[in-house]
Amino acid sequence: DAGVIQSPRHEVTEMGQEVTLRCKPISGHDYLFWYRQTMMRGLELLIYFNNNVPIDDSGMPEDRFSAKMPNASFSTLKIQPSEPRDSAVYFCASSAGGQETQYFGPGTRLLVL
Amino acid sequence: AQTVTQSQPEMSVQEAETVTLSCTYDTSESDYYLFWYKQPPSRQMILVIRQEAYKQQNATENRFSVNFQKAAKSFSLKISDSQLGDAAMYFCAYRTSFGNEKLTFGTGTRLTIIP
Repeated sequence: DAGVIQSPRHEVTEMGQEVTLRCKPISGHDYLFWYRQTMMRGLELLIYFNNNVPIDDSGMPEDRFSAKMPNASFSTLKIQPSEPRDSAVYFCASSAGGQETQYFGPGTRLLVL
Repeated sequence: AQTVTQSQPEMSVQEAETVTLSCTYDTSESDYYLFWYKQPPSRQMILVIRQEAYKQQNATENRFSVNFQKAAKSFSLKISDSQLGDAAMYFCAYRTSFGNEKLTFGTGTRLTIIP
């Protein structure tokens, strides 16, 4: 099994630019999660989907952040416009309904200058 | 809201020795899941072990075991025969059994292995 795949692994951009992070969940998993990890706030859930439908987006920091899941094998997290305080590691995770374990991707390290 | 507390920001242990990492949580629910994740320098989040609250038996995975004290809301991780590859950040996490699927994480414990 390939595991959760995220791209890019590293992203450096300038303030004001649009950033798109991508995730491919494990095949057959129907839950997909986006987390953000920072030194100040630790690991926090941004949003999660079930069967491609957003279920809880209460962790999305503000309107600059948006997430989509057009199909069962692909999701994006977009930041527009990006700001230096968005610098963090963004993780995607997936799980199968009825299974409580979430499997994480390798993360995307975002630096906004 | 559920909270997870890891009171040890850093721990160190001699190689081949045993170390215990602490985790406490606060919840009003009776059924839930608890996890320990390991994050090595590569930043990959790796599941170490999980425990279902309705099970009294402590979970074990090779050198890793937990001491789950439901009444005390405590969930510690014991690593036996510590190896250099165990050096990492360790995160305790909580998930409810019903409704929201989200994981609530503690702040982590950085474990150093001394050769």
